[in-house]
Amino acid sequence: DTAVSQTPKYLVTQMGNDKSIKCEQNLGHDTMYWYKQDSKKFLKIMFSYNNKELIINETVPNRFSPKSPDKAHLNLHINSLELGDSAVYFCASSPGLVQFFGPGTRLTVL
Amino acid sequence: TQLLEQSPQFLSIQEGENLTVYCNSSSVFSSLQWYRQEPGEGPVLLVTVVTGGEVKKLKRLTFQFGDARKDSSLHITAAQPGDTGLYLCAGARDNFNKFYFGSGTKLNVKP
Repeated sequence: DTAVSQTPKYLVTQMGNDKSIKCEQNLGHDTMYWYKQDSKKFLKIMFSYNNKELIINETVPNRFSPKSPDKAHLNLHINSLELGDSAVYFCASSPGLVQFFGPGTRLTVL
Repeated sequence: TQLLEQSPQFLSIQEGENLTVYCNSSSVFSSLQWYRQEPGEGPVLLVTVVTGGEVKKLKRLTFQFGDARKDSSLHITAAQPGDTGLYLCAGARDNFNKFYFGSGTKLNVKP
């Protein structure tokens, strides 16, 4: 069974559209994250939730809105997509000291 | 500016060679992790170090945490093509919930 799963794996869309990425973990961890990896492979934290509560909110445009319906799920909704949003988005979960990453969602905005 | 700088950025070597990747910062970290990421996949944890001066070995990989807990190194002995990938260091500060990632080292081991 996959520990951290994300859907979809690939997302190609037009500028201005709204899209969502879903993440689920079956590890029983309390903390989940969203990261953005740019073309230079730099991983930057966007958000973190601990037991459904937002604990980290980095400088991210408010077009990005995370939602955690329960501690096993953390979704990312993006409004009015822009070209610069093209990247790979990774979800991760953590028991506290290390992180377990999902396979990533490659978002391409045309 | 990034909190953790890795060097080198790119490394292309022949199978059997040794190599060292460095992860440096001017900040102190409570713990430091090393991950390997292969194309199309998420980073996978290799090791965590938490004590200054700590050395951990994982088969041909040796990880060291600096005495002052500001830097770390990853040494690979007799590299193999299967070691090819992007190596990332990540540090946690007082709040274990937030991790800062290094800029990454892309390693290519040629057969």
